[in-house]
Amino acid sequence: GENVEQHPSTLSVQEGDSAVIKCTYSDSASNYFPWYKQELGKRPQLIIDIRSNVGEKKDQRIAVTLNKTAKHFSLHITETQPEDSAVYFCAASITSWGKLQFGAGTQVVVTP
Amino acid sequence: NAGVTQTPKFQVLKTGQSMTLQCAQDMNHNSMYWYRQDPGMGLRLIYYSASEGTTDKGEVPNGYNVSRLNKREFSLRLESAAPSQTSVYFCASSSTNEKLFFGSGTQLSVL
Repeated sequence: GENVEQHPSTLSVQEGDSAVIKCTYSDSASNYFPWYKQELGKRPQLIIDIRSNVGEKKDQRIAVTLNKTAKHFSLHITETQPEDSAVYFCAASITSWGKLQFGAGTQVVVTP
Repeated sequence: NAGVTQTPKFQVLKTGQSMTLQCAQDMNHNSMYWYRQDPGMGLRLIYYSASEGTTDKGEVPNGYNVSRLNKREFSLRLESAAPSQTSVYFCASSSTNEKLFFGSGTQLSVL
């Protein structure tokens, strides 16, 4: 089955700096790659996703890039703010209806 | 519009006890899921239901059973709880566009 590895496990950044989280996947058939943000004590929520026919997608301060050849994808957060502090999960799916394999998560701490 | 509703929010069980976690969604989604979340291990799929009337095992199904009662409801049952099942459980649902909507979670402790 699909295996998703996520790095780093923790990431501390100064407010205003950029943060990058990287994930690799094992199954070349995977075609859907979402990112979820989970604030402390809250439910995970989708922040951005990308499909295998697209190399990059942006939404304001966040962007996701996909390298199908290398089987890795990354989340980029620019101009980080304290409210970006959370756990971020990447995921991959090879089905059309969303049976996702999640990475282990990255704890992002943005310090003022 | 409540989205995905899970009950209970907290539960403490003794080893060997049974319980059922309830989940309901009001978004007319076909697919529903149960995940468990443990520190450093992300979200692991226990069982899923691609559509009403079907259920399938996920990554960690041992010790659990599920019932897709109707299109709205998907329950998770622990027949004989074990300390290894101490975790936070999330129900989720999705339509064909794959975006998962999660419930607020159930924090379960098995003593």
